[in-house]
Amino acid sequence: GAGVSQTPSNKVTEKGKYVELRCDPISGHTALYWYRQSLGQGPEFLIYFQGTGAADDSGLPNDRFFAVRPEGSVSTLKIQRTERGDSAVYLCASSFLGVVTGELFFGEGSRLTVL
Amino acid sequence: KNEVEQSPQNLTAQEGEFITINCSYSVGISALHWLQQHPGGGIVSLFMLSSGKKKHGRLIATINIQEKHSSLHITASHPRDSAVYICAVRSTTRDDKIIFGKGTRLHILP
Repeated sequence: GAGVSQTPSNKVTEKGKYVELRCDPISGHTALYWYRQSLGQGPEFLIYFQGTGAADDSGLPNDRFFAVRPEGSVSTLKIQRTERGDSAVYLCASSFLGVVTGELFFGEGSRLTVL
Repeated sequence: KNEVEQSPQNLTAQEGEFITINCSYSVGISALHWLQQHPGGGIVSLFMLSSGKKKHGRLIATINIQEKHSSLHITASHPRDSAVYICAVRSTTRDDKIIFGKGTRLHILP
């Protein structure tokens, strides 16, 4: 696609439910980042993939959060047993990371509301 | 202390004023990004810098690698420039992770 695509754009769920958020990066981009942004705050790092592997998952807040990128392109962020505090906009960004550092491109985000 | 610090946190100015937003960082970097986020909107990349200066329209970004500091300037500011401006660095000391500043909220009054 032309840009980074995130689905769903909005998700409302009940406390305790399981949620999956999808990110489809720009074709050929090797690096993929997940962030979340609460109202009025800057993006908070969650996890970063280089290819298929998670190069850094130190930002995942707890073991209810997990992300995969099995084929090195599309990534899914999975949240188990959602809590109200998980409500935020989840942002995905991708770039080409090689000898030359590439521009960073963001998706529009997935707004998660946990009731 | 945050690894990427921005100042000011909030800035209100009159239309036409020259605006400067600052970013200091404490890690080794391979690149620095300036990003813009309008209220309720997505994040858009304005500049990516590894040295020197870049200009795009009324926007100018500079970086001083030795001082670990970057500035974003807006000339002849306009109400449509009102947005949050975010500095982000690609950290060589953190396995190329992108680290974000907390953003500067800019409001330009007509």
